[in-house]
Amino acid sequence: KNEVEQSPQNLTAQEGEFITINCSYSVGISALHWLQQHPGGGIVSLFMLSSGKKKHGRLIATINIQEKHSSLHITASHPRDSAVYICAGTMNYGGSQGNLIFGKGTKLSVKP
Amino acid sequence: GAVVSQHPSRVICKSGTSVKIECRSLDFQATTMFWYRQFPKQSLMLMATSNEGSKATYEQGVEKDKFLINHASLTLSTLTVTSAHPEDSSFYICSAGGGKANEKLFFGSGTQLSVL
Repeated sequence: KNEVEQSPQNLTAQEGEFITINCSYSVGISALHWLQQHPGGGIVSLFMLSSGKKKHGRLIATINIQEKHSSLHITASHPRDSAVYICAGTMNYGGSQGNLIFGKGTKLSVKP
Repeated sequence: GAVVSQHPSRVICKSGTSVKIECRSLDFQATTMFWYRQFPKQSLMLMATSNEGSKATYEQGVEKDKFLINHASLTLSTLTVTSAHPEDSSFYICSAGGGKANEKLFFGSGTQLSVL
């Protein structure tokens, strides 16, 4: 069982829909990252959070430390949001970002 | 945000040749760079941590003589896949940071290596 689990694996939505991607982790982490990987492979960091909620434009990320769960929400989804979304946790014992554990990603396709 | 440039984006080579991949931090000094490997539909896997001016730290199972890492300056790290074989075909991506815990991550654009 992967220490960082994402669901769903694949998600198809219609333009305008509200989207939620979930991430659960079974190990102690000090921070959780949400990343966006485009079809060409490039990766962009969307959020880094250790508690509560962050918002950037149409994207919202939340984390519940007690439940070891984080969600990424996309409001008013658009075809350009189509990408693979990855969550990654920084291990508690780590002293650098090298101690990251990645989920397998959620492939999102937003249809016009 | 910070920019990390990775080159080349795609390389096709014959078995037995060596391939060098460059990762540059364009607007900040990266004391630490990280090299990852990603197989299709799999998670990113850390290969090694590259520290400026010192030897890289390799993850278990990664051959340091096969995957040579050099971090000669605060803005450049290189990964050389020596004597490449078809099983080395993969997506390689670097990220850069100041080496502190819980820093935001800045990734290169990745390199798709295909070994024939």
